[in-house]
Amino acid sequence: NAGVTQTPKFQVLKTGQSMTLQCAQDMNHEYMSWYRQDPGMGLRLIHYSVGAGITDQGEVPNGYNVSRSTTEDFPLRLLSAAPSQTSVYFCASSRKGQGRDSPLHFGNGTRLTVT
Amino acid sequence: RKEVEQDPGPFNVPEGATVAFNCTYSNSASQSFFWYRQDCRKEPKLLMSVYSSGNEDGRFTAQLNRASQYISLLIRDSKLSDSATYLCVVNKGGGSYIPTFGRGTSLIVHP
Repeated sequence: NAGVTQTPKFQVLKTGQSMTLQCAQDMNHEYMSWYRQDPGMGLRLIHYSVGAGITDQGEVPNGYNVSRSTTEDFPLRLLSAAPSQTSVYFCASSRKGQGRDSPLHFGNGTRLTVT
Repeated sequence: RKEVEQDPGPFNVPEGATVAFNCTYSNSASQSFFWYRQDCRKEPKLLMSVYSSGNEDGRFTAQLNRASQYISLLIRDSKLSDSATYLCVVNKGGGSYIPTFGRGTSLIVHP
């Protein structure tokens, strides 16, 4: 039972490069989301999706793009990396509804450094 | 007022102590509440959901006070392995199920 799988675990980019962070879940969860976590800032929502074909912006969407062509996959694209995007990125999924029996399941995280 | 507020700590307690954290939320329509634990440089993991009547899981007890809009987490007989950051999570309610995270409370349990 894989749960939420994120790749890569670590990545170093140069300013201006683009890349895609992969996220896949095998729990048939409708809701998927991307967070970034910076020291002292807590988890901040970048983008989220409530089902295939539906995406929406979170708190800090600028510089990121997402798509949800299948229920399982929710990739996050950095269009032109900037040093301000150096962070730890987490993908998370849950059943729709976020009731008390539908908590978020997180991937292991991607540590991204932009030089 | 932030949507979900927590005292960042750190709470520095000896092994065996009882420690309690509170978390306040601003949206009275919020419907579901959770405590997550996050170890350094790891992903958050669900510790426990918070039920209206309060609930207990071993040494951990969670309570919800809707009138005052806060949830609490009590840890009894603290272990060294309890050292972590504890995140309070509240869903926005009002038909939205997007969870909102507090910034976390750091707990350090020392020998």
